[in-house]
Amino acid sequence: NAGVTQTPKFQVLKTGQSMTLQCAQDMNHNSMYWYRQDPGMGLRLIYYSASEGTTDKGEVPNGYNVSRLNKREFSLRLESAAPSQTSVYFCASVGRHTDTQYFGPGTRLTVL
Amino acid sequence: ELKVEQNPLFLSMQEGKNYTIYCNYSTTSDRLYWYRQDPGKSLESLFVLLSNGAVKQEGRLMASLDTKARLSTLHITAAVHDLSATYFCAVGIDSNSGYALNFGKGTSLLVTP
Repeated sequence: NAGVTQTPKFQVLKTGQSMTLQCAQDMNHNSMYWYRQDPGMGLRLIYYSASEGTTDKGEVPNGYNVSRLNKREFSLRLESAAPSQTSVYFCASVGRHTDTQYFGPGTRLTVL
Repeated sequence: ELKVEQNPLFLSMQEGKNYTIYCNYSTTSDRLYWYRQDPGKSLESLFVLLSNGAVKQEGRLMASLDTKARLSTLHITAAVHDLSATYFCAVGIDSNSGYALNFGKGTSLLVTP
């Protein structure tokens, strides 16, 4: 099992550009999450999803959209990137009968 | 608004010493998580504490949860250099979409000879 995978690992964007961060898990987990990590801020929840077709806003959803394409995949889209969105983005998943959130390796995004 | 406060935020300790990291949170929850993060890496799950009085130990690390005091501790015994990392606590809040985690800002631990 690969666990939680994320693509790309690194990305540099110019202000106003758009992009989609991809996340997939092969553990048959129901719930998936997107977090961002900034220095000195810990991790903050952007969006999460309990199942295919359902999503909820977290603490910092502004400027982002998400799609739960199927049980395996949960994507995060930046429609018009801003320098304030420079961050490390982590995807995570958890199963119905487990208690631990498993994190992907992260995407390091820089917006110039 | 849920607040999760860790202290200290920075900790430098000598090998062989003991120390405790504290995690206070501001709302009712019966799920408390501890994670470890090495520089440039992802988060690794250390402990999941699911009830009042829960205590878990792994090697030189021991975590406990007091839900009445809204306090969790991570105790380090006889620290070694390999424990140098950033440690996060996170409080789980139940919602329609499962448990969302609210993280503390992390404790950056450096163990020196």
